[in-house]
Amino acid sequence: KQEVTQIPAALSVPEGENLVLNCSFTDSAIYNLQWFRQDPGKGLTSLLLIQSSQREQTSGRLNASLDKSSGRSTLYIAASQPGDSATYLCAVSASGSRLTFGEGTQLTVNP
Amino acid sequence: GAGVSQSPSNKVTEKGKDVELRCDPISGHTALYWYRQSLGQGLEFLIYFQGNSAPDKSGLPSDRFSAERTGGSVSTLTIQRTQQEDSAVYLCASSPARVAGMYEQYFGPGTRLTVT
Repeated sequence: KQEVTQIPAALSVPEGENLVLNCSFTDSAIYNLQWFRQDPGKGLTSLLLIQSSQREQTSGRLNASLDKSSGRSTLYIAASQPGDSATYLCAVSASGSRLTFGEGTQLTVNP
Repeated sequence: GAGVSQSPSNKVTEKGKDVELRCDPISGHTALYWYRQSLGQGLEFLIYFQGNSAPDKSGLPSDRFSAERTGGSVSTLTIQRTQQEDSAVYLCASSPARVAGMYEQYFGPGTRLTVT
């Protein structure tokens, strides 16, 4: 059974810092890995999708990497802003199509 | 463009009543998913529809839960004889995938269900 773990569970940083969120998964037979953002009381917003054949994806200040063989992904956020405060979720799609989610990292960026 | 929409946004019901939750996927998306987000449980998969294929119901927690997708578009998740442990946010997602798991899933805002 696929298990996804995210570290840290919570992170508080001052504005302007670069930061890294970590995600690990137990079964490396995945189709893709997706990073989401969830604001309080809201649904999920897709940030980045990395196919299993890719090593990284970038969107603006966000960069996600994937090391499928070791079962790890990182989400790098450059020059963090208070508007980045949210819960960040990592999810993998393996056989079948369901996403298996981690518990999330709750990020607070302080002005 | 229009995203995934869900209704109602909030639902409060008494224990033992039946509820129906609705999802309108993005137009043209062939795949539709239901997930549940509970306190202490994280996000868990419930059911998956792909085109006209038989749905993958393997995530449904009990036979009180059922879902259908009419005309390959709108989906309804039905919970019969609701229990307090059914209280959660129910999220719907759709994807253009014709090959399972290959594309992004786009999520709706969710329905917050409270069973009193």
